[in-house]
Amino acid sequence: GAVVSQHPSWVICKSGTSVKIECRSLDFQATTMFWYRQFPKQSLMLMATSNEGSKATYEQGVEKDKFLINHASLTLSTLTVTSAHPEDSSFYICSASFLELSNEQFFGPGTRLTVL
Amino acid sequence: KQEVTQIPAALSVPEGENLVLNCSFTDSAIYNLQWFRQDPGKGLTSLLLIQSSQREQTSGRLNASLDKSSGRSTLYIAASQPGDSATYLCAPDSSYKLIFGSGTRLLVRP
Repeated sequence: GAVVSQHPSWVICKSGTSVKIECRSLDFQATTMFWYRQFPKQSLMLMATSNEGSKATYEQGVEKDKFLINHASLTLSTLTVTSAHPEDSSFYICSASFLELSNEQFFGPGTRLTVL
Repeated sequence: KQEVTQIPAALSVPEGENLVLNCSFTDSAIYNLQWFRQDPGKGLTSLLLIQSSQREQTSGRLNASLDKSSGRSTLYIAASQPGDSATYLCAPDSSYKLIFGSGTRLLVRP
């Protein structure tokens, strides 16, 4: 149980375009979903936290107008990178948690974004 | 602000050795602490979760301990195998946010 999927697993896009990444909890209803970013040879950095039906809470230094997060249901959250630039190239990982499991976070497999 | 340090940054050992990976954190007000492994280019695999009220958790050859008051956690790997080669990350949960250390890159040589 507690499986989280992400789609796509990798994406290459041109500079200036927008990219949407989906995160789904497959066998549970997630109270909260999280989005992380990982640059090469660095650790994961939390970008934002989202609860179903409410606005996401962004970490300091993360542009909310550039990284749009929609948490439309208890099983789906999306991250849209708007007007992507090469410096946005990174590994984006989502996680999901629910209160019944003591807020343990379950992670998706990640999405590799390359902006040309 | 929570800061997490993992020592050593890298470790190379022959197969069969018992290993200790260390994690320290500055804010002891945590709900739990998770240990993960990450293979190159992949997502995270959860290994162990220790609640703040617990002292240790065990899963197979893995044992994690937590000393919340001193801000330390240790991951012990018994009888290491080449398949254990990966980066190991610790992440204390502060205010329902996981703060990750920079990891320990482990290589187990056959």
